[in-house]
Amino acid sequence: DSGVTQTPKHLITATGQRVTLRCSPRSGDLSVYWYQQSLDQGLQFLIQYYNGEERAKGNILERFSAQQFPDLHSELNLSSLELGDSALYFCASSVGPAGNTGELFFGEGSRLTVL
Amino acid sequence: SQQGEEDPQALSIQEGENATMNCSYKTSINNLQWYRQNSGRGLVHLILIRSNEREKHSGRLRVTLDTSKKSSSLLITASRAADTASYFCATITQGGSEKLVFGKGTKLTVNP
Repeated sequence: DSGVTQTPKHLITATGQRVTLRCSPRSGDLSVYWYQQSLDQGLQFLIQYYNGEERAKGNILERFSAQQFPDLHSELNLSSLELGDSALYFCASSVGPAGNTGELFFGEGSRLTVL
Repeated sequence: SQQGEEDPQALSIQEGENATMNCSYKTSINNLQWYRQNSGRGLVHLILIRSNEREKHSGRLRVTLDTSKKSSSLLITASRAADTASYFCATITQGGSEKLVFGKGTKLTVNP
């Protein structure tokens, strides 16, 4: 158990809908990362927050947004969903920024299926 | 975009054999990490090697880093069926980037 909690574990929804994925980092970790894993694209970095502030952005679509709250949990919002958004979404956390501390702790992921 | 590229994409060996996976990357890095992922599960950190290190060991794992060739290798010795998983390298580029970028992984199957 990594200590990172993601909910929901599975989600099935329809095209055009909006969903929110939630992540609680390990106790004491200030950085939260979101990744998308699909069969054809591999593991894609989406966005990173450190202590409530956005620190790095990857290939995150404009339809997607995220935030980190004062209690350090994070939410990833996916809107106007398309079939191609079906994927496993991972949250990871670390004590500090990845460049300093290195190791990321991953949650078990939220599997999104868009029909 | 991928920074690291693992090779081979898939590897099948017998229990007791050694498994070697390679990772090549494009730009200068601060460190390189290896992660393991059991099917459909979260990734688990295995080992981190910094840019000024050439080799690192952890149990049955041995990682090497050649910054002149921009490549790393992960060796798993005396493999077990439980080592069956996908293995990813991940890098943080120099220059203050916070992005930990993963390759597409090597799928290792260890047959009993």
